[in-house]
Amino acid sequence: GAGVSQSPSNKVTEKGKDVELRCDPISGHTALYWYRQSLGQGLEFLIYFQGNSAPDKSGLPSDRFSAERTGGSVSTLTIQRTQQEDSAVYLCASSLVVQLYGYTFGSGTRLTVV
Amino acid sequence: SQQGEEDPQALSIQEGENATMNCSYKTSINNLQWYRQNSGRGLVHLILIRSNEREKHSGRLRVTLDTSKKSSSLLITASRAADTASYFCATDRSGGTSYGKLTFGQGTILTVHP
Repeated sequence: GAGVSQSPSNKVTEKGKDVELRCDPISGHTALYWYRQSLGQGLEFLIYFQGNSAPDKSGLPSDRFSAERTGGSVSTLTIQRTQQEDSAVYLCASSLVVQLYGYTFGSGTRLTVV
Repeated sequence: SQQGEEDPQALSIQEGENATMNCSYKTSINNLQWYRQNSGRGLVHLILIRSNEREKHSGRLRVTLDTSKKSSSLLITASRAADTASYFCATDRSGGTSYGKLTFGQGTILTVHP
């Protein structure tokens, strides 16, 4: 596609439920990143996929968070047993060469845990 | 730890005036990038400056980089109401294990009054 697509755009879930957030990067972009942004805050790194290399999971806040990227394209971020502090906007970005072009971001998924 | 810190946190100006935002960081970098965010959703890449560059222009944007002071500034000339947004600097750290992973600051909220 022409841009990075994220779905759903909004998700309201009950505390304790699992959620899946989807990211469809730009075709051909080998790098894919997940960040989250709490209200009025900066971006917090979660996880990074680069080609066939092992992902950098150093930003995942707990073992309730996991992500996978299938076939080097679509990525799914899963949050198990959601908590209220998980409420945030989850942003996905992809890049061909970060050092030349930077990131292209999707519009994000606003997650609200009630 | 916070890599990029923007200053000021908020800036309010009149249309036609110039807006200057500053970013400080702590570690050696490959490049520094500036992004804009409207309405708390996806970020848009504005400009990238490499560590061996001192100044870069793009339209009404001018970015400077001083690696000796570990700081950068973003100047928007002849501002317009449409420039109202949050602006973030992001650093691509040199060395380390995650090539191309950006670290974002907390952002500057710019309001341009018509």
